Amino acid sequence: GQSLEQPSEVTAVEGAIVQINCTYQTSGFYGLSWYQQHDGGAPTFLSYNALDGLEETGRFSSFLSRSDSYGYLLLQELQMKDSASYFCAVRDAGNKLTFGGGTRVLVKP
Amino acid sequence: DADVTQTPRNRITKTGKRIMLECSQTKGHDRMYWYRQDPGLGLRLIYYSFDVKDINKGEISDGYSVSRQAQAKFSLSLESAIPNQTALYFCATRGDREYEQFFGPGTRLTVL
Repeated sequence: GQSLEQPSEVTAVEGAIVQINCTYQTSGFYGLSWYQQHDGGAPTFLSYNALDGLEETGRFSSFLSRSDSYGYLLLQELQMKDSASYFCAVRDAGNKLTFGGGTRVLVKP
Repeated sequence: DADVTQTPRNRITKTGKRIMLECSQTKGHDRMYWYRQDPGLGLRLIYYSFDVKDINKGEISDGYSVSRQAQAKFSLSLESAIPNQTALYFCATRGDREYEQFFGPGTRLTVL
C-alpha cells in the first residue's frame, strides 16, 4: 500500500515563500503529483514529477528525490488567492493516485 | 461546458436508503474514478474504471457499487446508506496528460 505524510497547516504572509514537504512509503511508484483545492472546490492539478529534480511552473515549483522518497511543493511570491489546501499524491503503475492528508496554506496580508 | 459534471451537487438522505451519484464527462477519456473526501482529509479512491467493461475496487469499496453505463458515464451507488458515508464525493477522469486527473465539482452527501 501507499502512505504519504505532509504538514497539516502552514501560515505565511503575502509575498513570502512556502515549502510543503511530502514523504511517502510506497509499494509501487511512478511519480509524485500535486493538487490544489480551494474551500468548496474540486482538486486541480498543479504539477507532476516522475524523475528526480525540480519542475518549475510559474510561481510554483515541485521537487522530487526518489532515493529519499521525498518531494516538496514550493510556492513563491505568495498571493491571497494561494490560500487553499495542497495535496501530494503518488501515482502508481495502474494510473491510480493515493493522496496525502493535505496541507492547508493560509496567506495573510 | 464543464468537462466533468456530477449530479446531484448536494443530497441529504436517511439511513438505509439507496442512493445513486452520477458522473458524466465530455472528453471521451477511458479512465474514470470515484473518490471520497472527509473533512480535513485527503481523497480516498472508492472505485475506478479504465473501460466500459473494466471495473476495479479501490481502497475503500465496501458499501459502494458502481456502473459504467457508457464511456462517458460512471455512477456510484450506496445500496444502504449509513451515517459514516457522509462525505464529499468526487468523480474524476484522465486529464489532458497521461499523469493528470481532472475532477468534477463534487457531490456533498449527508446521511442522517
